[in-house]
Amino acid sequence: QSALTQPPSASGSPGQSVTISCTGTSSDVGGYNYVSWYQQHPGKAPKLIISEVTKRPSGVPDRFSGSKSGNTASLTVSGLQADDEADYYCSSYSGSHTLGVFGGGTKLTVL
Amino acid sequence: EMQLVESGGGLVQPGGSLRLSCAVSGFTFSTYWMSWVRQAPGKGLERVATVNEDGNEKFYVDSVKGRFAISRDNAENSLYLQMNGLRAEDTAVYYCARGQHTSVVWGQGTLVTVSS
Repeated sequence: QSALTQPPSASGSPGQSVTISCTGTSSDVGGYNYVSWYQQHPGKAPKLIISEVTKRPSGVPDRFSGSKSGNTASLTVSGLQADDEADYYCSSYSGSHTLGVFGGGTKLTVL
Repeated sequence: EMQLVESGGGLVQPGGSLRLSCAVSGFTFSTYWMSWVRQAPGKGLERVATVNEDGNEKFYVDSVKGRFAISRDNAENSLYLQMNGLRAEDTAVYYCARGQHTSVVWGQGTLVTVSS
């Protein structure tokens, strides 16, 4: 199973918005509404911030939003804050009897 | 509070074995799929194995098939990963995570280093 494609880096100034893309295929991102996004700060475990394309777990600020069009999912972070600087990973369900697939990760820098 | 605590990592020589454990508390362990996800130094995430609620369905990434075995003990609220035939490329932080594809609960990770 090939990894989902994410840009290696993204950046924005405090208060701005940034969007990170995650491109897969019709066998994963495009085929199911089960795309998740994780935030990972250095040395820490990943934290789920978006599930099922658009759902935010309890406690995740509404500055984080998800969407999907065709085989590409996107994470938008609005009103950038210094603490948003982290690595972001997408993942997708890819059918029963599979492990799902992760993206390669995007390092978000807050300028 | 939901908690996953991994243990068992360490330094092992190529070809060696390790058994990772994950102690679970704060939710009904027996009702969830569980997974092991690894992250090589400076690299991305990779789900290496997953097991269903009663331990009868197990899936592995191709690179560990035949070498790693995931198991669980619902009476002890524990998840395990037996790793045999370890290779340098298995060096990573191994996370225990709740769920088959989407994981809302993660452990802090345990480092496995395969080196001579």
